[in-house]
Amino acid sequence: ETGVTQTPRHLVMGMTNKKSLKCEQHLGHNAMYWYKQSAKKPLELMFVYSLEERVENNSVPSRFSPECPNSSHLFLHLHTLQPEDSALYLCASSQTQGWDTEAFFGQGTRLTVV
Amino acid sequence: SQKIEQNSEALNIQEGKTATLTCNYTNYSPAYLQWYRQDPGRGPVFLLLIRENEKEKRKERLKVTFDTTLKQSLFHITASQPADSATYLCALRAYNTDKLIFGTGTRLQVFP
Repeated sequence: ETGVTQTPRHLVMGMTNKKSLKCEQHLGHNAMYWYKQSAKKPLELMFVYSLEERVENNSVPSRFSPECPNSSHLFLHLHTLQPEDSALYLCASSQTQGWDTEAFFGQGTRLTVV
Repeated sequence: SQKIEQNSEALNIQEGKTATLTCNYTNYSPAYLQWYRQDPGRGPVFLLLIRENEKEKRKERLKVTFDTTLKQSLFHITASQPADSATYLCALRAYNTDKLIFGTGTRLQVFP
């Protein structure tokens, strides 16, 4: 285990549903990330939170809405998704900039939009 | 535009040989370059980090080099084993940023 826990591990949702992905870390890190990984494509950085403030939003559609209530928890709220949003969604954490430390990833949530 | 490219989609080698994976980048000034291993259906796991002022870093059977002139990093696995079969990702973190950007990954298959 890496110390980063994601729930659920698998999620199937319809295009009209609303669901949330949860990520939790107790490593004392103060930067958290959401990545999307689709088949045959590199990991795509979606959102970065540093010290609970969103510092990066990589042109992600508004149907994805992140929330970081504290330094240990990160959510990704999903609504009216499209089938092409089906992918593995990975959460990661690390120390903030200036620290030469690695990112710790969760196991991911495999999302299928039907 | 900024790009991180890793050589070949898949690399097949025989057990005991040295695997060499390449990571090339353009339009970045990375402070650090990192290598991760990813197994199917799981999140990436950190392997090694090398700073811009370091030429080489080793860890057990792993060796990473970093050439900021060529804008390239090489990742070597010596005495490879079937258990080394996985996808290997390189990632860059630029100065004064929390963005960690990944390459496309190279899938390594080690045959007995």
